[in-house]
Amino acid sequence: EPEVTQTPSHQVTQMGQEVILRCVPISNHLYFYWYRQILGQKVEFLVSFYNNEISEKSEIFDDQFSVERPDGSNFTLKIRSTKLEDSAMYFCASSDDRAGGYTFGSGTRLTVV
Amino acid sequence: AQSVTQLDSQVPVFEEAPVELRCNYSSSVSVYLFWYVQYPNQGLQLLLKYLSGSTLVKGINGFEAEFNKSQTSFHLRKPSVHISDTAEYFCAVRRGNRDDKIIFGKGTRLHILP
Repeated sequence: EPEVTQTPSHQVTQMGQEVILRCVPISNHLYFYWYRQILGQKVEFLVSFYNNEISEKSEIFDDQFSVERPDGSNFTLKIRSTKLEDSAMYFCASSDDRAGGYTFGSGTRLTVV
Repeated sequence: AQSVTQLDSQVPVFEEAPVELRCNYSSSVSVYLFWYVQYPNQGLQLLLKYLSGSTLVKGINGFEAEFNKSQTSFHLRKPSVHISDTAEYFCAVRRGNRDDKIIFGKGTRLHILP
């Protein structure tokens, strides 16, 4: 069964550093998403991406965040200057239409120290 | 804006007993509804979804859910749970065709007791 692949599975970074989280969505999917889950809390929407542009973003997704689909297969989330409160599990997801559910990746655990 | 309420943060149940995990949503427009499962240290896996049609939806691993529009509920049920069902279960909602994003509830942790 097709999968959404995320790398790395775990990343530790120092506060103030830039991080890039990588995702390879399912190949024929057109809609892409990033969510995060702070330990023990709910899964929160960050951003959706379609047709090479952001279609919706949440209040969490401020100027420190950006997304890119650089080469038609990867979908990245960049945090420019990480803060301690950015520590969370980040999930990438993709879907082939707007009606159904998403396929999620296994997540990247980001730890900011 | 739509929202999802999962009233129970934890549900303990004995192995082979039935279970119901409750979910209520609020939305002024038609919605699509989902249940996702998260096993320990893993990602989110789609259990089942309601888009339209029959209000009783069957999913993987023997789970089913019933969409009740009048009560704005989408409770998840399984007639007989197994120890392997130990996980966090998330109810989620998406507004018709107007929104890209899926909004998740806070989750319900299912504890299977031996």
